[in-house]
Parts: sequence; C-alpha cells; structure tokens
Amino acid sequence: AQSVTQLDSHVSVSEGTPVLLRCNYSSSYSPSLFWYVQHPNKGLQLLLKYTSAATLVKGINGFEAEFKKSETSFHLTKPSAHMSDAAEYFCVVSGGGFKTIFGAGTRLFVKA
Amino acid sequence: DAGVTQSPTHLIKTRGQQVTLRCSPISGHKSVSWYQQVLGQGPQFIFQYYEKEERGRGNFPDRFSARQFPNYSSELNVNALLLGDSALYLCASSLAGERNTIYFGEGSWLTVV
Repeated sequence: AQSVTQLDSHVSVSEGTPVLLRCNYSSSYSPSLFWYVQHPNKGLQLLLKYTSAATLVKGINGFEAEFKKSETSFHLTKPSAHMSDAAEYFCVVSGGGFKTIFGAGTRLFVKA
Repeated sequence: DAGVTQSPTHLIKTRGQQVTLRCSPISGHKSVSWYQQVLGQGPQFIFQYYEKEERGRGNFPDRFSARQFPNYSSELNVNALLLGDSALYLCASSLAGERNTIYFGEGSWLTVV
C-alpha cells in the first residue's frame, strides 16, 4: 500500500525568504515521487520528479527536493520565494501498481 | 507538440443526468488516467488505462466508467449525477505505466445542480 502525507496545509513566507514544503510517504515498493504545482483555476504542472537516480532532484523555477529513504521524506525547497510561487503544491507517490496517490496539498502564501 | 487536451472545459448538468468527458493524450503517450478534484482537496485517482485496457481503478462507484480508444484518446462517463460529483475532472497521460511522469490537462469543470 502507498500513502503520502503533506505535513502542512498552509505555509506562509515573505518574498525573498526560503520555502520548505514537507512531504512524507509510505510505500511497499521503491517509489517514484513527484511534486506538482497548481495555480488557481489551472491544471497541474510538474515541478520535479525522483525515480531512483540522484537523491537531490532539481526542478523548474529554482525548486529542488531531496529523497531521504531513512526518513521516508521528500521535502520541497526553494532558496528565495517569489510572489509568483503562491499556489497549491502536491506531493505525489507512484509505483507498485497503476495508481498514483496525491497528498492533500499545501497552500503556499507569499507576502510582499 | 500539443499537451493533454480535455473537453469540454466547463459544463453544467442536472442531478440524474449523464455526462461524458473527453481527453486526448500527448502524442506517443499510451497511458491515460483520470482524477477527480473536489474544491479544496487534492486530486483523487479514478481510472488508469494503458493500451486500451483498464489497469487501475480508484474507490469510485460503478456510476463512473471510462474507456480508451485505438488512438489512445479516452472518455470518462458518469451516470446518475449527484451534487457531490461537482468537481474538476483531470486527465493525465504518460508514455507507459506507473513510473513514468504523468502530464495533466487543464481539466473539465463539472457543476451539478
């Protein structure tokens, strides 16, 4: 069985400060992990993915995530937030069957 | 290249009616999956089709059905609509199966009144 838990429903940061969005996963298999972003009234855009290669994954728009098997975590970070980063972020786990599981999402607010 | 395209983008239906949503995958992608996203929640997996066969099904009632055509496009059908079926329905495509990146369309907004 697979599951994914996003530890914060909302995160608020000031523009120019670091962003940390936390994700823990559970999987009986070696998982593939993804982060997607969804801007209001839009579809989902892939930020980055981990598929058992390098544990530190770099994505678009300056985001990166580190796969830590011992902690079963895949936290998303960005060194400096921009106003355009304000959106909903989803951590996703896939593998061990044709089913992709989404976390509940973390809403990121960026203050000027 | 065109991304995943979905139609219609918005529609309003009455309780008890039936709806068909359509999806065209990215060229070369053979896997299509469907998700329901209720306002304020994350997407919930409904179906995945690969090579025209159902390969996965989420926890949805039998009122929900889907199929994939020889050109890999797909339709999602929902019968006997309920108010709770109001949601954004997202289609995604990927090259093959479970470990490939899935690419999403913009979705179809369904409102049931």
